[in-house]
Amino acid sequence: GQNIDQPTEMTATEGAIVQINCTYQTSGFNGLFWYQQHAGEAPTFLSYNVLDGLEEKGRFSSFLSRSKGYSYLLLKELQMKDSASYLCAVLDSNYQLIWGAGTKLIIKP
Amino acid sequence: DAMVIQNPRYQVTQFGKPVTLSCSQTLNHNVMYWYQQKSSQAPKLLFHYYDKDFNNEADTPDNFQSRRPNTSFCFLDIRSPGLGDAAMYLCATSRDPSGTYNEQFFGPGTRLTVL
Repeated sequence: GQNIDQPTEMTATEGAIVQINCTYQTSGFNGLFWYQQHAGEAPTFLSYNVLDGLEEKGRFSSFLSRSKGYSYLLLKELQMKDSASYLCAVLDSNYQLIWGAGTKLIIKP
Repeated sequence: DAMVIQNPRYQVTQFGKPVTLSCSQTLNHNVMYWYQQKSSQAPKLLFHYYDKDFNNEADTPDNFQSRRPNTSFCFLDIRSPGLGDAAMYLCATSRDPSGTYNEQFFGPGTRLTVL
C-alpha cells in the first residue's frame, strides 16, 4: 500500500526554527508537495521537490531524498501566524496525490 | 484574480436529504478534483476530471456523484447524506498533473453539517 508518515503534532517557540519530517512509500514518485492548512481553511501550496536537495523559499525550505523516501520542511524565524497544519503529499506514478494526515504545529510566544 | 470558488461555504442538511456542492474556477485548468477532509485527517480524493474524462476513486461510496458540465464548473452530489458524511469538502484544480505545473489550487471548502 501507499503510505505517508509525519508527526501528528509539534510545538515550537516564536522566533525559533522547526523541522517537520515526512517519510513516504508510494507506487512511483513524481514529486513531493508541502501544503499549509490553517484551521477551517483550505490547503495552500508551500513547496514542490522532485529532485534531491534543498529548495529555499524565504523563511521556508524543503528538502528531499528520493533514495531514503524522506523529506522535511524547515521553518525559520517562526511567527505566531505559522501555527497551522503542514501536509506532505506525494504525486505517485499515476499522478495522483497521496496525502499525509498533516502535522499540527503549535507556536508558543 | 484567478481563483477557485466554492459555494456555499457552509451547508447544513438533514439526514438523507440530497445536497449539491458547487465549484467554479477561473484558472482555465484542465483538471478538477473533489476531496473530503475530516478533522485532523488527510484529504481523501473522491473524484477527479481530466477535462471531461471522469475518474472515480475505487473506494468512493455510491452515495457520492459528480458532474462537470463545462471546463469551469464542477458539482458534487450527495444523494442521501449520512452523519458520517459531515466533513469539509474541498475542490481543487491543476493545469496538468503530469506537467511541470502540477500544483493543485484549492477553493476555500464547503463545511457540510448533517443533522
